[in-house]
Amino acid sequence: DGGITQSPKYLFRKEGQNVTLSCEQNLNHDAMYWYRQDPGQGLRLIYYSQIVNDFQKGDIAEGYSVSREKKESFPLTVTSAQKNPTAFYLCASSILTGDVQPQHFGDGTRLSIL
Amino acid sequence: GQNIDQPTEMTATEGAIVQINCTYQTSGFNGLFWYQQHAGEAPTFLSYNVLDGLEEKGRFSSFLSRSKGYSYLLLKELQMKDSASYLCAATDSNYQLIWGAGTKLIIKP
Repeated sequence: DGGITQSPKYLFRKEGQNVTLSCEQNLNHDAMYWYRQDPGQGLRLIYYSQIVNDFQKGDIAEGYSVSREKKESFPLTVTSAQKNPTAFYLCASSILTGDVQPQHFGDGTRLSIL
Repeated sequence: GQNIDQPTEMTATEGAIVQINCTYQTSGFNGLFWYQQHAGEAPTFLSYNVLDGLEEKGRFSSFLSRSKGYSYLLLKELQMKDSASYLCAATDSNYQLIWGAGTKLIIKP
């Protein structure tokens, strides 16, 4: 079945540690996105990518980094510079056409501080 | 600035109809999306509107008025499994989505 797979489901980070969240899709979608969701707030865009080897900062990119070496994969690294990383992280993908297309989400990764 | 407003919480009765409103203000609007999110899970796509009017999809319908910056999601014949948060999102000039905080819908028997 086609879909978006995020791993791990739960992740714990120690002080000063970088952690990487995995996102893989087999939908052949061009665009991929990382969002952060905090209680009582809307989803906020961290990074997005429309093509391999290219990505753009979203509204809250500070303290995060990404790569897009393959069309299927868009991992997110939460660096030690991100001082408040506890949140629900969602990866999404969509096709790219001349019109706006729906984004489809993975099951998310819940990150907490130890 | 860019802003999406929707009620924080609504309560409805099983079998009834509920309307969840959303007002938006974005630069370069191209479309309005509705997603359903059950607690602890990822959002799932429900509907999207580009042109003014009503889009119907089974028990769910979505309406858009571009001139008023307004949309609503209408849920009919409510079932207990419809208890969830409903997220409204509008596109900006870069075709990225600006998200509302979501409306938590509580269904009572």
